[in-house]
Amino acid sequence: GAGVSQSPSNKVTEKGKDVELRCDPISGHTALYWYRQRLGQGLEFLIYFQGNSAPDKSGLPSDRFSAERTGESVSTLTIQRTQQEDSAVYLCASSSTYREQYFGPGTRLTVT
Amino acid sequence: AQSVTQLGSHVSVSEGALVLLRCNYSSSVPPYLFWYVQYPNQGLQLLLKYTTGATLVKGINGFEAEFKKSETSFHLTKPSAHMSDAAEYFCAVSTEYGNKLVFGAGTILRVKS
Repeated sequence: GAGVSQSPSNKVTEKGKDVELRCDPISGHTALYWYRQRLGQGLEFLIYFQGNSAPDKSGLPSDRFSAERTGESVSTLTIQRTQQEDSAVYLCASSSTYREQYFGPGTRLTVT
Repeated sequence: AQSVTQLGSHVSVSEGALVLLRCNYSSSVPPYLFWYVQYPNQGLQLLLKYTTGATLVKGINGFEAEFKKSETSFHLTKPSAHMSDAAEYFCAVSTEYGNKLVFGAGTILRVKS
């Protein structure tokens, strides 16, 4: 596609429910990143996939957060047992090897 | 560990005036530095980047930034603000071109007519 796409664009869920957020990177991009943007704050790194290497999970805030990526395609970020502090915009980015990151429009998650 | 500090969460300028958004970084290794812009309800767009070489880098929409190692700074400037420049600007650093980015908290730029 022309750019990074994310779905859904908005998600409202009740506290304690699980959610899945999807990211479709730019075709051919080997690297994929997830970031979280809380209201009024900068972006926090969550997880990074590079090709077939083991992902860098150092930014995941708790074991309720996990992500998968199949090859060099779609990635899914899963949050289990959501909490109100998980409310944020979740941004996905992709890049070619050692090039700049291109960001998707984000998924706005609201936990009620 | 790396970190980024953006001085001023909100900056207001008049249309046609100089835009100066400040960014200071901390890095134990040579940094790669970036400025991104985020318009309301949109994703981030890369304005410009510094990797190696020339310390004055030019980006899109008339923006430029200068890498000053001695001051650990990478301030963003534009000689003349336009109304369309109103957005939130993020400075970011990484240690390796294409690796994870560490972002500042962002600066919201308001342009007054």
